[in-house]
Amino acid sequence: GNSVTQMEGPVTLSEEAFLTINCTYTATGYPSLFWYVQYPGEGLQLLLKATKADDKGSNKGFEATYRKETTSFHLEKGSVQVSDSAVYFCALTASNDYKLSFGAGTTVTVRA
Amino acid sequence: DTAVSQTPKYLVTQMGNDKSIKCEQNLGHDTMYWYKQDSKKFLKIMFSYNNKELIINETVPNRFSPKSPDKAHLNLHINSLELGDSAVYFCASSQQQGRDGYTFGSGTRLTVV
Repeated sequence: GNSVTQMEGPVTLSEEAFLTINCTYTATGYPSLFWYVQYPGEGLQLLLKATKADDKGSNKGFEATYRKETTSFHLEKGSVQVSDSAVYFCALTASNDYKLSFGAGTTVTVRA
Repeated sequence: DTAVSQTPKYLVTQMGNDKSIKCEQNLGHDTMYWYKQDSKKFLKIMFSYNNKELIINETVPNRFSPKSPDKAHLNLHINSLELGDSAVYFCASSQQQGRDGYTFGSGTRLTVV
C-alpha cells in the first residue's frame, strides 16, 4: 500500500538555524506529495506541494523537491524563526487512491 | 468566508452519550473526508464521500456513522461514546482525488469523560 515515513522528532533549533525534515514514501504510480503544517491549537494547513518528479514546491521560505529516484520529499528552510514552531506532516495521495496518507509528524520547536 | 468549517470546536461529553459533529465546505469540492488525530498527533482517515457516495470506510467501529446530505456537507454521528474516542476530528475536502491538496477544517476536540 501507499505509505509515508518521516524523521522522528522532536526537533529543537535556535532561531536562524537550518531545518531539514526527511520524508520518504512508498506508492504505486505517480503520487502527489505534500507538506502540511499544524501550528499549536490549530488545524492543518497546506504548506507546499509537488505533483510530478523534479517539481520543487516552495512557500514561506520552505522548499521540498520531488525526487522519484530516491522516493523522497525532504523539507528544508534556510533560517527558521520562532513562529515556525509547529508540527510538520509529509503526505501523499496516489493516482489510484482518494486517500491522503500522512507521515507520523515531526514536532519542531524554535528557540529565540 | 471560511472554506471548511466544522462545529463544534470543542465537545466534552460523558461516556455512553451520542453526539454529532457537522462539517460544511464552500469550495465547490466534490469529495469530503473525516480524519481522526490521536494524542500522538497521528492522523488516520475514517471516511470519505465523493458526490454523496461513500468511497472510503476504514476500519472504524460501527458506532461512527457519517452522513452526507449533499456534496457540501459531511456530518459525523457517534453513538455510545467511549473514553478511547477522545481525539481531535478533522473534516477536509478536495476536488476529486485531491492531487492538488486537501483543505482541512480547524478541528473538533472531543473529550469523553
